[in-house]
Amino acid sequence: QVQLVESGGGLVKPGGSLRLSCAASGFSFGDYYMSWIRQAPGKGLEWVACISNTGRTTFYADSVKGRFTISRDNAKNSLSLQMNSLRVEDTAVYYCARDGWMQLRGFEYWGQGTLVTASS
Amino acid sequence: EIVLTQSPGTLSLSAGERATLSCRASQSIDSSYLAWYQQKLGQAPRLLIYGASYRATDIPDRFSGSGSGTDFTLTINRLEPEDFAVYYCQQYGTTPRTFGQGTKVEIK
Repeated sequence: QVQLVESGGGLVKPGGSLRLSCAASGFSFGDYYMSWIRQAPGKGLEWVACISNTGRTTFYADSVKGRFTISRDNAKNSLSLQMNSLRVEDTAVYYCARDGWMQLRGFEYWGQGTLVTASS
Repeated sequence: EIVLTQSPGTLSLSAGERATLSCRASQSIDSSYLAWYQQKLGQAPRLLIYGASYRATDIPDRFSGSGSGTDFTLTINRLEPEDFAVYYCQQYGTTPRTFGQGTKVEIK
């Protein structure tokens, strides 16, 4: 069965860095775009970044452009999000999701989320 | 950026009633790229509908989606106790991918 498992969240001071990982299994990872989505406490869903199936193309929300970097390793079925210059407003649960753009299927699978807290 | 506006913000209904949720886009969307999600407290979102009207795997047929262009609707017939949750629409055809702000369906 499809599984997405995030890790790497935690408490970090504003201005600091954190790297999130997402381990994928149960599907052909290299056939799918992947996205990161976040949800601040008590708020709605905010798309953060997306990467093409080959890893050659990336897209970012304006709120994180220049600070966050999405990457993937298809040989290891893994997705990453490098977060630099973190701000208080980046505090959220971060989800990885299988992006169904190519298959016209929506975000069919999500991880359980990992909490990032940027606070002094 | 395509802005999605959901209405109402909160829907207060009783079990057994029908829920009608609206999602309006700031510009026309290819309906192939419109999805609806359900989220319960403390859980990841769950895909209900993709392509505006196709139910995802294992989604009960009381959930249905419709619409085109800029106006889309999620209908939940005969609300079950487990359906009380927050619902989001999303477009995934362009970047930035965008979500509506959500509609909370609560018990009346």
